[in-house]
Amino acid sequence: NAGVTQTPKFQVLKTGQSMTLQCAQDMNHEYMSWYRQDPGMGLRLIHYSVGAGITDQGEVPNGYNVSRSTTEDFPLRLLSAAPSQTSVYFCASTNGRNTEAFFGQGTRLTVV
Amino acid sequence: GDSVTQMEGPVTLSEEAFLTINCTYTATGYPSLFWYVQYPGEGLQLLLKATKADDKGSNKGFEATYRKETTSFHLEKGSVQVSDSAVYFCALTPLDSSYKLIFGSGTRLLVRP
Repeated sequence: NAGVTQTPKFQVLKTGQSMTLQCAQDMNHEYMSWYRQDPGMGLRLIHYSVGAGITDQGEVPNGYNVSRSTTEDFPLRLLSAAPSQTSVYFCASTNGRNTEAFFGQGTRLTVV
Repeated sequence: GDSVTQMEGPVTLSEEAFLTINCTYTATGYPSLFWYVQYPGEGLQLLLKATKADDKGSNKGFEATYRKETTSFHLEKGSVQVSDSAVYFCALTPLDSSYKLIFGSGTRLLVRP
């Protein structure tokens, strides 16, 4: 049971570099989301998708892009990394309102 | 907008002590309420949930009751163990959403032998 798989687990970037955080789920869930976790702030929604081909912005979308070409995959792209994007990123998937959200193990990103 | 407020941590307890972590929310109507737990180095996992007023969620000895009148969803456990040391997040899904989770800031629990 893979659930939600995120890669990489750790990454160090230089300011201005770009990268893609990968997220894949094998539960055929409709909804997928990206969150960032910062100390004292809980998790904040970056982008979400309600199905293949449909994405929208969450609470803190600036500096990030997403796409959803398949049900399984939901990559997060950092276009030009900034130190303010140093954080732990979590991908999650769920099948709806009152069902459990499954989270990946997270990606710890440091931008120097 | 909708929001969740949790008591600040860390909370440090001795093994077998009683645990309460306070959570209150602001939301329109009747949101769904959740407690998620994050063990060191891991992602979040669902601990318990309640989807309507007066519902009690329970799992692994933890309980929380959905109190509409006080807009609260406090987490309790009668006797904590060292293995309960983790960060606990209260969260809600708004009435008009099927997917969105709004989290509190998290409360770190440390249980000492």
